[in-house]
Amino acid sequence: GQNIDQPTEMTATEGAIVQINCTYQTSGFNGLFWYQQHAGEAPTFLSYNVLDGLEEKGRFSSFLSRSKGYSYLLLKELQMKDSASYLCAVGDNTNAGKSTFGDGTTLTVKP
Amino acid sequence: SQTIHQWPATLVQPVGSPLSLECTVEGTSNPNLYWYRQAAGRGLQLLFYSVGIGQISSEVPQNLSASRPQDRQFILSSKKLLLSDSGFYLCAWSTTGAGANVLTFGAGSRLTVL
Repeated sequence: GQNIDQPTEMTATEGAIVQINCTYQTSGFNGLFWYQQHAGEAPTFLSYNVLDGLEEKGRFSSFLSRSKGYSYLLLKELQMKDSASYLCAVGDNTNAGKSTFGDGTTLTVKP
Repeated sequence: SQTIHQWPATLVQPVGSPLSLECTVEGTSNPNLYWYRQAAGRGLQLLFYSVGIGQISSEVPQNLSASRPQDRQFILSSKKLLLSDSGFYLCAWSTTGAGANVLTFGAGSRLTVL
């Protein structure tokens, strides 16, 4: 099975940079995924890493170290609309493509 | 482009009543389909997944069931709801093969059992 840990809450200031960490233990691995979920809405896909290293997509970057079971999501130039829950998920390596989710990190961006 | 529809968006049901949530995907064929449930302030719990018509796998034993009568249709049902069935239900799809784990979610169905 999968065990995923991420902080429950974080607070940051508009315009700043924030890093959300995620650690995992897995019995089968096919990628580490980040989703954004605004309150009352469905999650939307942000980024994923299959290989070690940094993936950059605009203001969002995600990093993976498979040997350490560690990933982080980096958000730059924070905006008020970035206030949301950020879900870390680990994909398995079966054809079912199942993902196991952490409980999410609620980020509050303050002016 | 691919789209996913899920309905109803909100429902309030009494304990012991039946449930049917429906999800359809457009613009793709033979997707992997999933039902997740999210309790308040928690992550997503995988309930069922399907890799093809009529193929259903259950992750969590409970009083819910799922069916896939057509390639792009996924239904979540219950014969008798429990209070503990309240939550936010999300249907999702993914492609098969490489990148199979990237999930696209429907808008969700918020169920309150009273």
